[in-house]
Amino acid sequence: DQQVKQNSPSLSVQEGRISILNCDYTNSMFDYFLWYKKYPAEGPTFLISISSIKDKNEDGRFTVFLNKSAKHLSLHIVPSQPGDSAVYFCAASVGWGKLQFGAGTQVVVTP
Amino acid sequence: DTGVSQNPRHKITKRGQNVTFRCDPISEHNRLYWYRQTLGQGPEFLTYFQNEAQLEKSRLLSDRFSAERPKGSFSTLEIQRTEQGDSAMYLCASSLRTGRDEQYFGPGTRLTVT
Repeated sequence: DQQVKQNSPSLSVQEGRISILNCDYTNSMFDYFLWYKKYPAEGPTFLISISSIKDKNEDGRFTVFLNKSAKHLSLHIVPSQPGDSAVYFCAASVGWGKLQFGAGTQVVVTP
Repeated sequence: DTGVSQNPRHKITKRGQNVTFRCDPISEHNRLYWYRQTLGQGPEFLTYFQNEAQLEKSRLLSDRFSAERPKGSFSTLEIQRTEQGDSAMYLCASSLRTGRDEQYFGPGTRLTVT
């Protein structure tokens, strides 16, 4: 039962432009959402998180938006840089416990 | 802060053999998680500990899998009688249970069962 879904397996964006990654979830009990970035042969690296009591959280070039009524969150990266090329995972949890991950979106930033 | 470490990084074993992986969390973190990731998928939760207590196990964790965290420090994950379907990346993560509970991941152990 896939409760967190990333429907775009890949995204190509030009350097300097905005990258928008999307994530949908089905479990209304989720109250904590996170984005991770993963390079090949490395573990996921935490990027940014948001609690369900907020609808936006910003950290430098990264902004996460949460739309609880639509059960949808998105990650905006502005401006995109070559080092942002990686797989991005959306994750969610109920309380502070196990994370449920989406399948990931491969981002390629082109010159 | 040395981060989460995992050993070995790679393990190749024959079907039916037992394997054990080790995870050393970030020193002050009291929660430790194990996940499994297969190609094209996100990590899937296996089990987690708060200090030395194992608080939850996934139904993915068959009776061939066992995890321990003696003294609430490092953790081991053992797979007995390995099967080819056990081939995956095994990830360990740790967190400090406060108001923000980001989990920090290790580099993983790549298991190949031949």
